[in-house]
Amino acid sequence: SQQGEEDPQALSIQEGENATMNCSYKTSINNLQWYRQNSGRGLVHLILIRSNEREKHSGRLRVTLDTSKKSSSLLITASRAADTASYFCATDAGGSYIPTFGRGTSLIVHP
Amino acid sequence: KAGVTQTPRYLIKTRGQQVTLSCSPISGHRSVSWYQQTPGQGLQFLFEYFSETQRNKGNFPGRFSGRQFSNSRSEMNVSTLELGDSALYLCASRPGTGSPEQYFGPGTRLTVT
Repeated sequence: SQQGEEDPQALSIQEGENATMNCSYKTSINNLQWYRQNSGRGLVHLILIRSNEREKHSGRLRVTLDTSKKSSSLLITASRAADTASYFCATDAGGSYIPTFGRGTSLIVHP
Repeated sequence: KAGVTQTPRYLIKTRGQQVTLSCSPISGHRSVSWYQQTPGQGLQFLFEYFSETQRNKGNFPGRFSGRQFSNSRSEMNVSTLELGDSALYLCASRPGTGSPEQYFGPGTRLTVT
């Protein structure tokens, strides 16, 4: 069963625009991660944010976490065609560190 | 360091057959997890092995099994294949303690006919 649910399911933008994806989850978590998957390939880890953190940056990526609302957002600034991919949030709870993945947001960046 | 490798990359099997998939983790990583990805169910956790022991298990039938060797390489076996087992099977490794960051292989695309 999915813990995190991404929104929107699909997003289509022009190169240079910003892309924002949201993730909501149901139960308390220890960590939240964002991954990217290019068509039919393995996932690539983008960023990890722990439950006691509110915001993290990595290059053009900005992730926020609001534990009171049980939600996170991923912002990709100045999008490029190469950012076209599916983006997944993954949450873990307890001590297992096993992430539960959402269904993903499909991002298309038009050149 | 070399990344996670999976073999084979593509596989076609017939219903009722069995299949074995292989995963070599990043050097030094002791935890290997397996996931099944389908359009209908998304990414679902199968199991995790750490130091040759199954440490966590997802909600899959007993037809799905795995093992890990002393060099941390892992294999996953699916017996009595069903059409619904057609999926992308992903292997991921991590050091094993202290961080949930997973490093994924390219996956094995299994088609059951």
